[in-house]
Amino acid sequence: GENVEQHPSTLSVQEGDSAVIKCTYSDSASNYFPWYKQELGKGPQLIIDIRSNVGEKKDQRIAVTLNKTAKHFSLHITETQPEDSAVYFCAASIRGSQGNLIFGKGTKLSVKP
Amino acid sequence: DAGVIQSPRHEVTEMGQEVTLRCKPISGHNSLFWYRQTMMRGLELLIYFNNNVPIDDSGMPEDRFSAKMPNASFSTLKIQPSEPRDSAVYFCASSLAARSNQPQHFGDGTRLSIL
Repeated sequence: GENVEQHPSTLSVQEGDSAVIKCTYSDSASNYFPWYKQELGKGPQLIIDIRSNVGEKKDQRIAVTLNKTAKHFSLHITETQPEDSAVYFCAASIRGSQGNLIFGKGTKLSVKP
Repeated sequence: DAGVIQSPRHEVTEMGQEVTLRCKPISGHNSLFWYRQTMMRGLELLIYFNNNVPIDDSGMPEDRFSAKMPNASFSTLKIQPSEPRDSAVYFCASSLAARSNQPQHFGDGTRLSIL
C-alpha cells in the first residue's frame, strides 16, 4: 500500500541554524504534499504545501522542495528560533481517494537557544 | 474565523463505558476526517466523509467504533464499549472540497483515557 517515510525522527539544532526534514513517498500518482507543525496539546497546523506541478515553494523562513522523479520532498527551515520547536509531519495525497492523505511518522525538532 | 471545534478536550472514563466525541467542521467545508494519534502508530485515518456521506471507513479498528455526520456542521465518533487500548488523542479535520489537493485543517483533538 501507499507509504510515506520521514527522516529524521528527532532533530536538534542551535538557534539560528537551518533544519531540514526529508520524506519519501511510494505512490507516483500523489500530487499534493502538505507539511504540518504540531505543538504540545494542539492539533497539527498546516504550515506550507506544494503541488506536483511545482518544484519549490517558499514562505518567509520555510521552504519545501519536491523531486517527483525520486519521489521525495523536503522541508527547510532557515534561521531557526526556539518557537520552531515542535513535531513536524509530512503527508502525501493518495491516488483515487477523495482528499485522503497519508502521513509520515513525524520529526521532533528542538531548537536550542 | 472559527477553526475546527472538537469536544470534549479531555475524556477520562472506565472500560466498558460509551464514549462520544464531537466535531464541528469549518463552515463551508465539504470533507471531514477522523484521525487517531498514538506514539506507536502515529496519525491514523479512521474514517472520512464527503458531503456528509462516509466514503472510506477501512481505518475504523472494530465494530465498537462508529461515526456519523447527520449534517454539514456536525459529526460524532462513538466507541461502545470502550477499552483501555482505545486511549489516544482523536483529531477531527475538515477540508474545502473532495479533491486530493486540498489542505486539511485540524481541531485541537480530544485526549481520551480509558481506565
